[in-house]
Amino acid sequence: DVKVTQSSRYLVKRTGEKVFLECVQDMDHENMFWYRQDPGLGLRLIYFSYDVKMKEKGDIPEGYSVSREKKERFSLILESASTNQTSMYLCASSPSGTNYGYTFGSGTRLTVV
Amino acid sequence: QKEVEQNSGPLSVPEGAIASLNCTYSDRVSQSFFWYRQYSGKSPELIMSIYSNGDKEDGRFTAQLNKASQYVSLLIRDSQPSDSATYLCAVEYGNKLVFGAGTILRVKS
Repeated sequence: DVKVTQSSRYLVKRTGEKVFLECVQDMDHENMFWYRQDPGLGLRLIYFSYDVKMKEKGDIPEGYSVSREKKERFSLILESASTNQTSMYLCASSPSGTNYGYTFGSGTRLTVV
Repeated sequence: QKEVEQNSGPLSVPEGAIASLNCTYSDRVSQSFFWYRQYSGKSPELIMSIYSNGDKEDGRFTAQLNKASQYVSLLIRDSQPSDSATYLCAVEYGNKLVFGAGTILRVKS
C-alpha cells in the first residue's frame, strides 16, 4: 500500500514562528499536494508539485511556501504563523495522470496561539 | 473558479437502508470523479472512482455519473453504523482534484 507519512499529528506554535510541516511518500509518486481543511470550507489546495524542485500555487498560497528537494518529500512552510492558519493540514500524493485519485497522509492539526 | 457542490447534511438513514449522496460540478471538461470517506478526526480515504457515464459497482457501493447533467452520486446499500462518516466528492480539473465540502452521513441502528 502507498504510505504517505506526515511528521506530526498535532502541533502548537506561537504567532510569528516559522513552521515546517513535512510529508514523505514511499511509492515513487510524481505528484504531491498540500491541502488545509476547515469546517464548512472543505479541502482547499495550498500548493502542489508535479516533480522534484517544481511547485505551483493552489487556491490559497498566501502565507505559505513549499519545498521539494527530493521526489519523496514535500514540505510546507508557514513563513510567519498567524492564528488564521490554525487548521488541519493534509498532504496527498498520486502517480502522474488524473485517473488514480490521491492518497492522503494522516494529517497535522496545527494550532497557532 | 471550479466548483463542486454537495449537500452538507446530515443525511440520516436507518440501518439496512440505501443512502444516496449527490454531487454536482461546474466544468464539463472533467473526466475523472472520485468519492472519499472521512471518519471524524481522520484523513480522507478513497472508496470509489468513476470515469464513464453510467454506474460502477463495488460491493455495497455504487457510483453513478451523468456528464450531461454534471452530476455524480454515491449509493450505499445495506447501510451500516460503520458507514457513518463524511463523504467527499472530488472532481478532476486540469490534473488537480477539487473537493466538495462533504456530506455527513449518519446511519442509525
